[in-house]
Amino acid sequence: DADVTQTPRNRITKTGKRIMLECSQTKGHDRMYWYRQDPGLGLRLIYYSFDVKDINKGEISDGYSVSRQAQAKFSLSLESAIPNQTALYFCATSDLSGDTQYFGPGTRLTVL
Amino acid sequence: GQQVMQIPQYQHVQEGEDFTTYCNSSTTLSNIQWYKQRPGGHPVFLIQLVKSGEVKKQKRLTFQFGEAKKNSSLHITATQTTDVGTYFCALYSGGGADGLTFGKGTHLIIQP
Repeated sequence: DADVTQTPRNRITKTGKRIMLECSQTKGHDRMYWYRQDPGLGLRLIYYSFDVKDINKGEISDGYSVSRQAQAKFSLSLESAIPNQTALYFCATSDLSGDTQYFGPGTRLTVL
Repeated sequence: GQQVMQIPQYQHVQEGEDFTTYCNSSTTLSNIQWYKQRPGGHPVFLIQLVKSGEVKKQKRLTFQFGEAKKNSSLHITATQTTDVGTYFCALYSGGGADGLTFGKGTHLIIQP
């Protein structure tokens, strides 16, 4: 969905490096989410945020941190990247009902 | 948390044949959502089912929610090449908490 953008779209990095993935949205939604997709495992929730002051851990938050800089911006950081964090990362947003989620185009991260 | 099992993992069909993917849970679900992800793309919301026995149609797609609200299915009639992709069922836990719990998806491969 063009209303949800992610940068970078692709990133190759080395083990131990700090990486930040950014997500911006123009949908005016309060709720934002970070998911990770691995082949054969579907999508798994890393972190979610209901508003600027609210951050919650998801199913697989270990090794990740997030920052909600504004209603429209939600970034995901890998403090010290490791190879098993190689995956496709999606940001998503939803309105107050929280049910329908709108996904960004994804960031393909490779950790060598 | 609640889990959803999705089968089959892969489905090869000839163009024009029908396709069905199933989503099952051992517990009663409050709702079920379906998403489609094209190759190289991001998940796109298709529909949400909430009521027991609910059936919804979108052109050639038919979505069903079981009477016991423990299973759901997506059926595509007369597949076309544009139907290629991965179909995910997802559970929304309500209130925005925990985001979505996804099934592992069914990859639909269509042979012309």
